[in-house]
Amino acid sequence: GQSLEQPSEVTAVEGAIVQINCTYQTSGFYGLSWYQQHDGGAPTFLSYNALDGLEETGRFSSFLSRSDSYGYLLLQELQMKDSASYFCAVRGTGGFKTIFGAGTRLFVKA
Amino acid sequence: EAGVTQFPSHSVIEKGQTVTLRCDPISGHDNLYWYRRVMGKEIKFLLHFVKESKQDESGMPNNRFLAERTGGTYSTLKVQPAELEDSGVYFCASSPSGKYNEQFFGPGTRLTVL
Repeated sequence: GQSLEQPSEVTAVEGAIVQINCTYQTSGFYGLSWYQQHDGGAPTFLSYNALDGLEETGRFSSFLSRSDSYGYLLLQELQMKDSASYFCAVRGTGGFKTIFGAGTRLFVKA
Repeated sequence: EAGVTQFPSHSVIEKGQTVTLRCDPISGHDNLYWYRRVMGKEIKFLLHFVKESKQDESGMPNNRFLAERTGGTYSTLKVQPAELEDSGVYFCASSPSGKYNEQFFGPGTRLTVL
């Protein structure tokens, strides 16, 4: 089957750095994406990795290791507004079906 | 540019009734997806349209769910008859032709079946 695992909750303080890990198991692989969702809102796209390595977009970076079926989202200089749920997602078999993890709830404290 | 819109935002129905959810994707987006999130669980894929054609409907739970996208613009998702386990938030997303990794999500429809 296809599945993704990520921690259910992470807590960090304002200004700190936090890493949210994601391991996946899929029968095909077409890239790892990350989405952010604030309570009651729509998931919004953050980043995408198709190849191994680090992609940086402002305070957010995303890493992928295809050989380890592993990736992470790195959030730097945490702000209170970063408190949200973060989902990793992969496109698996056939390239059209997107599988999401259960999400990691990030709490940023002052 | 208008984002993905969904209607209604909330729906409360009784078991056995019918509900139809609507999604209007971003104009020009060929790809349209339906997802469902049950409280605290993953965002689960339901199906994917490319224009008016169903590209992948492997996530549809059973034949009580029917999705359509006539004309390749807006889409509807009908649940008939609704069961208690159908409760959750139904998200629609869209993306441009040939691009699948950056999807634009709507605000979702929260469905409660009593």
